[in-house]
Amino acid sequence: KNEVEQSPQNLTAQEGEFITINCSYSVGISALHWLQQHPGGGIVSLFMLSSGKKKHGRLIATINIQEKHSSLHITASHPRDSAVYICAVESNFGNEKLTFGTGTRLTIIP
Amino acid sequence: AAGVIQSPRHLIKEKRETATLKCYPIPRHDTVYWYQQGPGQDPQFLISFYEKMQSDKGSIPDRFSAQQFSDYHSELNMSSLELGDSALYFCASSTLGIPGNEQYFGPGTRLTVT
Repeated sequence: KNEVEQSPQNLTAQEGEFITINCSYSVGISALHWLQQHPGGGIVSLFMLSSGKKKHGRLIATINIQEKHSSLHITASHPRDSAVYICAVESNFGNEKLTFGTGTRLTIIP
Repeated sequence: AAGVIQSPRHLIKEKRETATLKCYPIPRHDTVYWYQQGPGQDPQFLISFYEKMQSDKGSIPDRFSAQQFSDYHSELNMSSLELGDSALYFCASSTLGIPGNEQYFGPGTRLTVT
């Protein structure tokens, strides 16, 4: 069993739909990251969370430390949101290397 | 704002050749992480450096070595290349000290071994 699991693995939605991507982890963490990877490979950091909720534009990320679960929401989805979204965690041993989830491939259809 | 720079962006090598990948962190970042992402796979941690010293080591083959220099840039040296080394190699930088400091990723170097 992977330390970090995401669901769904693939998600196709119509433009404008509300999107939710889930991440569950099994280890103690100091922080959780949501990353975006476009075709061609570049990774962009979207959020870093250690508790609660963060919002940036149409993106919202939440984390429940007790349940070891985080969600990434996209409101009013747009074709340009199509990408792979990756959840990654930093362990609470303080060394800060990231352990990555398997990613969710999101496709938004116009 | 300056971002993490990696060079080269693309590299094609033959089996048994050597390759050197470079990573230039964001100014004033003292920590560099190297990750390897094989085709269709999750990124995997290779190695990290803090203040020019190795701080952690992951699944890095013995054929690979890395170091961080006085200007904080890092180089990943890969020898006796194998077909399975074909991957996207990312570096990320941050400032160590406070757990959970955000890591900023470079654009990656795509290595193809033929």
